[in-house]
Amino acid sequence: NAGVTQTPKFRVLKTGQSMTLLCAQDMNHEYMYWYRQDPGMGLRLIHYSVGEGTTAKGEVPDGYNVSRLKKQNFLLGLESAAPSQTSVYFCASSYQGPSFMNTEAFFGQGTRLTVV
Amino acid sequence: AQSVTQLDSHVSVSEGTPVLLRCNYSSSYSPSLFWYVQHPNKGLQLLLKYTSAATLVKGINGFEAEFKKSETSFHLTKPSAHMSDAAEYFCVVYIYNQGGKLIFGQGTELSVKP
Repeated sequence: NAGVTQTPKFRVLKTGQSMTLLCAQDMNHEYMYWYRQDPGMGLRLIHYSVGEGTTAKGEVPDGYNVSRLKKQNFLLGLESAAPSQTSVYFCASSYQGPSFMNTEAFFGQGTRLTVV
Repeated sequence: AQSVTQLDSHVSVSEGTPVLLRCNYSSSYSPSLFWYVQHPNKGLQLLLKYTSAATLVKGINGFEAEFKKSETSFHLTKPSAHMSDAAEYFCVVYIYNQGGKLIFGQGTELSVKP
């Protein structure tokens, strides 16, 4: 009963390095999301996907790229990390749009990323 | 533009007293609204959601919220706080016309004093 799994859980990067965060869900969900959480700012949407092979920009997409090659996976990439990208990153998924009565968004445990 | 505003960044209550966490939204469309809770160093858990059915929504752990369209509010309440309620709470709006976006408020940190 894994739900939404994020890897890695912690990472320290040097400025300019690249990395990929992996989000995997085993609930056959169509919708997947990447958020970043910063103190006093809530969660801000980076990118999201409404199905395999589709992606769309959220509120703060600059400096990030995503891919949804398989339905169960949603990858978040940082091509050239900057200190401003130090944050906690959350992945979420939902079966349909969250307005449906039998749907909710499930969140992973988060990835704490520090860029020095 | 659609948005959600949590009116208090921090709320402190004594154990056994009522809890009120305030949320106002702005939406051109009939919204879907949610409250999520995040305990320290944990992920987010859904407390309750409003999706145009009953305006008074009951959630887990004794929480409930009332959707008031005239006031564009969706405040979260609980009659009696418990120490385990100490956490951060997020009000969230779902944007219909933007393909599935969930927009979060800034969060309210709830402290519960013994």
